[in-house]
Amino acid sequence: GEDVEQSLFLSVREGDSSVINCTYTDSSSTYLYWYKQEPGAGLQLLTYIFSNMDMKQDQRLTVLLNKKDKHLSLRIADTQTGDSAIYFCAEKSNTGKLIFGQGTTLQVKP
Amino acid sequence: DAGITQSPRHKVTETGTPVTLRCHQTENHRYMYWYRQDPGHGLRLIHYSYGVKDTDKGEVSDGYSVSRSKTEDFLLTLESATSSQTSVYFCAITPQGRPYEQYFGPGTRLTVT
Repeated sequence: GEDVEQSLFLSVREGDSSVINCTYTDSSSTYLYWYKQEPGAGLQLLTYIFSNMDMKQDQRLTVLLNKKDKHLSLRIADTQTGDSAIYFCAEKSNTGKLIFGQGTTLQVKP
Repeated sequence: DAGITQSPRHKVTETGTPVTLRCHQTENHRYMYWYRQDPGHGLRLIHYSYGVKDTDKGEVSDGYSVSRSKTEDFLLTLESATSSQTSVYFCAITPQGRPYEQYFGPGTRLTVT
């Protein structure tokens, strides 16, 4: 079935790069997403990538997609304390629904 | 926030009571969704709607019903709340003309005692 897996926790120092990883099982996924959730808030759509792309860059964010290995990553350059949040990976399955991972908590230390 | 509001934002209720959560949007979006968020599970789809009176089940629909009598409102009802329905509930929309995107409301924290 459809499944999305993420590591649960990542800690980095302010100014370093963060890399959050995600794997998915549905090879027919059309779009893959990264959402950010700050405490007590809803999910904010950060970026998404179409499955026929390998990379997408948007300011400090770089998304890499390895479709062969069904692996998606989000790199945040020059990580700031304001980047501390939970990051969710999601895939759009062939049924059109979004399937979410469990979320990765990013802790940024000053 | 894509013009989405949810009410109430917090609710505590007793087991066995009915509860209705409301999602309201002001931009005429056709597609609306209800998710629940639980630790270790990410977000899971409960029900969704693709127009007035057009709804369908998601992966965790048991114990929930929905209604959409107006474009702007999507209601989620727990007919008889149970402790396993303690969760944070999020509404989401897909904007017109951007079918690959979903935007979320601020959430409703529901506690069933």
